[in-house]
Amino acid sequence: DGGITQSPKYLFRKEGQNVTLSCEQNLNHDAMYWYRQDPGQGLRLIYYSQIVNDFQKGDIAEGYSVSREKKESFPLTVTSAQKNPTAFYLCASSIYRDSEAFFGQGTRLTVV
Amino acid sequence: GESVGLHLPTLSVQEGDNSIINCAYSNSASDYFIWYKQESGKGPQFIIDIRSNMDKRQGQRVTVLLNKTVKHLSLQIAATQPGDSAVYFCAELTGGGADGLTFGKGTHLIIQP
Repeated sequence: DGGITQSPKYLFRKEGQNVTLSCEQNLNHDAMYWYRQDPGQGLRLIYYSQIVNDFQKGDIAEGYSVSREKKESFPLTVTSAQKNPTAFYLCASSIYRDSEAFFGQGTRLTVV
Repeated sequence: GESVGLHLPTLSVQEGDNSIINCAYSNSASDYFIWYKQESGKGPQFIIDIRSNMDKRQGQRVTVLLNKTVKHLSLQIAATQPGDSAVYFCAELTGGGADGLTFGKGTHLIIQP
């Protein structure tokens, strides 16, 4: 089945630790995105990538980092510099940058 | 600030009635709009989209209306069912999507039996 897979579904992090969220797609999409969602809020763009080995900061990139070494993979690292990392993280991809985005099922990150 | 917003955070309707969810956008350069449905604990799911050269588009039980004059977007759901309960987001794309989609805060649709 084609789609976007995010893992893990739930993630717990101690303060001061870096954690990496996985996002893999087998849709052969060029564009991939990371969004953050807080309770009762919409989605805010963290990073996006339109092509392999290239990515751009979104609206709230501080404290996050990404890589795009392969077309199908776009991992997100939440660093210790992110002061309020507890949130629901959503990865998405689209075939072109001006087409609909398909979302994964999300990773819920909690700082303990 | 966000360029996309919704008028009502919560909308409650009776099962079988029609629902209308509204969205206002502020960027007149936006040329592509999408409605997403998000169930609790899941990722958003595509419902329907519309490009700026259209003013209406219909899907199965859903219709999206675009009024560029007042920068307003609406989602109509016919004969609502319990499975329609979710948060609905509108999203807009500007300038060929160089910066990705911009999402509104969402409307929580509650279907009452």
